[in-house]
Amino acid sequence: DQQVKQNSPSLSVQEGRISILNCDYTNSMFDYFLWYKKYPAEGPTFLISISSIKDKNEDGRFTVFLNKSAKHLSLHIVPSQPGDSAVYFCAASVDPGNQFYFGTGTSLTVIP
Amino acid sequence: NAGVTQTPKFQVLKTGQSMTLQCAQDMNHNSMYWYRQDPGMGLRLIYYSASEGTTDKGEVPNGYNVSRLNKREFSLRLESAAPSQTSVYFCASRGTITSGELFFGEGSRLTVL
Repeated sequence: DQQVKQNSPSLSVQEGRISILNCDYTNSMFDYFLWYKKYPAEGPTFLISISSIKDKNEDGRFTVFLNKSAKHLSLHIVPSQPGDSAVYFCAASVDPGNQFYFGTGTSLTVIP
Repeated sequence: NAGVTQTPKFQVLKTGQSMTLQCAQDMNHNSMYWYRQDPGMGLRLIYYSASEGTTDKGEVPNGYNVSRLNKREFSLRLESAAPSQTSVYFCASRGTITSGELFFGEGSRLTVL
């Protein structure tokens, strides 16, 4: 049973607008979350992380929001750029030292 | 700076054949991992090694074996390949067991006929 879910397989956004990628999880013990970006024929690369002691973490154009009561996190990209077109995975673990469970990914297309 | 290197990048096997996927990292990381990526399934952990000399099962270990040869190298072996093992395999490493960021290789695409 999938413990981390990304219910939108794909998303298209105009260049310059905001991209919002969503992730839901079922295990209330998860308290450390990561977002990865993946281009075709490459391995995933780390984007941003958040732990349960925070509800928001920013890194440049990328912001991750965590709502523990709803078991939901989201990645905001502002402004979106064509180079952001990729597949985005969220991942969760009980703590950073434990196994990470990955979502199924959302394919983002930023239209110039 | 190579990071995490996987070989081979592509492989076609017949059912029942065996093969080993090789992974090496040059970042002096302690922990290494093998994941598989399948359509609609995301990345699933097969095996991991928290440190040299130790290995543990992940979510989907059946049909695989691993060897942590030294600190740099972590191999994944399919003893008798099955069509269900057709997938893209990713090796990853992490600096310490408590540091969240995983560094991934470019992937190995395996097809079992």
